[in-house]
Amino acid sequence: NAGVMQNPRHLVRRRGQEARLRCSPMKGHSHVYWYRQLPEEGLKFMVYLQKENIIDESGMPKERFSAEFPKEGPSILRIQQVVRGDSAAYFCASSPSGGEDTQYFGPGTRLTVL
Amino acid sequence: AQSVTQLDSQVPVFEEAPVELRCNYSSSVSVYLFWYVQYPNQGLQLLLKYLSGSTLVKGINGFEAEFNKSQTSFHLRKPSVHISDTAEYFCAVILSGGYQKVTFGTGTKLQVIP
Repeated sequence: NAGVMQNPRHLVRRRGQEARLRCSPMKGHSHVYWYRQLPEEGLKFMVYLQKENIIDESGMPKERFSAEFPKEGPSILRIQQVVRGDSAAYFCASSPSGGEDTQYFGPGTRLTVL
Repeated sequence: AQSVTQLDSQVPVFEEAPVELRCNYSSSVSVYLFWYVQYPNQGLQLLLKYLSGSTLVKGINGFEAEFNKSQTSFHLRKPSVHISDTAEYFCAVILSGGYQKVTFGTGTKLQVIP
């Protein structure tokens, strides 16, 4: 049973470009969470999705950031018009259901904005 | 809202010595507690979790943690560390009965010295 997959592992973008980060949850998991880890900081919750639904996006910046988890395919975190402050590691986690189920984390995507 | 405090940003310890990584939380309702480990350039791996029952929780790699409700603490311990334990450790909470909007501490870097 493969773990949570994220790609790309490293992404370099110039200011103003778009970044697309993909997350494939573990098999059988229908709940996906995105976190951002800024340098020298802990992980901050961004958004919680179930298939085709955004449950909680209270941690998402109001502009330029969006997330989706379609019926088929991976979850996508999209950052439009990236700025240097978006440089961070973005982690995806999945769980089979909500509640206290353990979240399983992917290896992360390290975004560098030049 | 809940919060997690890890007062020690870095903890150096000699190989085979014991270690304690401190974690305190704040919440007006019951919480579930977790410790995760992050090795360099990798995602987070669950070490252990406390949901209910015995306050002493044993995890992987010889780690254990004790939930102390009166002191709102969940300190992580290991009686004898190895070089391979060098990593960053994150304490985390979620509200019991709620979905998993995980709140992480800022992390403690454990440096095991040969």
